[in-house]
Amino acid sequence: SQQGEEDPQALSIQEGENATMNCSYKTSINNLQWYRQNSGRGLVHLILIRSNEREKHSGRLRVTLDTSKKSSSLLITASRAADTASYFCATDNNNDMRFGAGTRLTVKP
Amino acid sequence: DGGITQSPKYLFRKEGQNVTLSCEQNLNHDAMYWYRQDPGQGLRLIYYSQIVNDFQKGDIAEGYSVSREKKESFPLTVTSAQKNPTAFYLCASSITGGGQPQHFGDGTRLSIL
Repeated sequence: SQQGEEDPQALSIQEGENATMNCSYKTSINNLQWYRQNSGRGLVHLILIRSNEREKHSGRLRVTLDTSKKSSSLLITASRAADTASYFCATDNNNDMRFGAGTRLTVKP
Repeated sequence: DGGITQSPKYLFRKEGQNVTLSCEQNLNHDAMYWYRQDPGQGLRLIYYSQIVNDFQKGDIAEGYSVSREKKESFPLTVTSAQKNPTAFYLCASSITGGGQPQHFGDGTRLSIL
């Protein structure tokens, strides 16, 4: 069964804008990961944030984690058309990794 | 280049037929996984293996079987007992189990003839 739940299910923005996706989960976690999937391809790991971390950056990506609210957000700054993809959060709880249903991001040129 | 190779990219199954999906990795990873993805949904775990000659059922193992005879290879057989096999199947690996980042292949799309 799924643990993470992404919000929104779909997001459409113009190139250059920022995109924010949220992930909520139900149980305690060891870490939370974000992945990206281009249409018809496998997932690509983007970033991992541990339960004792609150914020992490990687290039144009910024991830936050609020364990008290059991939620995480992924911010993509200055989006590009090439960022068009589905984004999934995955939570790890004692070696049990669960993926959400994803947010479909469309970046219009 | 290291990575995970899944083959074939597209596969068609006749009624009552077993089919096997291939997954090979050259990343020297101990753990390997099989997921099923249905349209607009997340990934559901079918089977996983943390070490050669050992594997565990995931959430939706019924109608599927696996083997892990070599570290590099983790083939998945979709048996005739799986009544709704049409889906996108993804294989992944990680250095160890335990919530490590997973590396994915590019999937096999299975359809029923």
